[in-house]
Amino acid sequence: QVQLVQSGAEVKQPGASVKVSCKTSGYTFTSNIIIWVRQAPGQGLEWMGWISAYTGNTNFEQKFLGRVTMTTDTSTTTAYMELRSLRSDDTAVYYCARVAGITPRYPIDYWGQGTLVTVSS
Amino acid sequence: DIQMTQSPPSLSASVGDRVTITCRASQGISNYLAWYQQQPGKVPKLLIYAASTLQSGVPSRFSGSGSGTDFTLTISSLQPEDIATYYCQKYNSPLTFGQGTRLEIK
Repeated sequence: QVQLVQSGAEVKQPGASVKVSCKTSGYTFTSNIIIWVRQAPGQGLEWMGWISAYTGNTNFEQKFLGRVTMTTDTSTTTAYMELRSLRSDDTAVYYCARVAGITPRYPIDYWGQGTLVTVSS
Repeated sequence: DIQMTQSPPSLSASVGDRVTITCRASQGISNYLAWYQQQPGKVPKLLIYAASTLQSGVPSRFSGSGSGTDFTLTISSLQPEDIATYYCQKYNSPLTFGQGTRLEIK
């Protein structure tokens, strides 16, 4: 069965970076887009960007440009999201999720369990 | 960028009620529209895609309609387990979500 298993919770100081991993299994890794979504406490879902596991191409929500990097490792079928220059308003649960196709023109069909990132001094 | 606006932001209804949530895109998005359910403390779950196609395993009381800019999610007979926040999402990039509709039992 398709699974996306994320790394554990992180506590970071303002200005630091965080790198969240997303280990996938149960499907052909390069056949799908991986999307990253975050959810601040009590707030809605916010799309951050996506990466093609096939080509490595990325596309980011404008507010994260210059601060986020998304990568994949096909040998371990793992996706990574790194967010830099953390601020207190980056405190959120970060989700990786699988788009149901090889382009972003498909919905999200599987989600990771989420990784809580807390930014606090 | 295309904005996705959901209404109402919150809704209270009784078990057995018919419930409708709307989602409006600021520009036409054809039928690249999905609906997700997020129960409290859980991960979002895909309910509907292509505006009106029911995801496998989702109860038939859920339905979606619309195309272009105006979309609706309907629950034909509200059940206690439907308490959740519902999000629409357009999935022609950028993959923007609506702000969510919180559904409570009256």
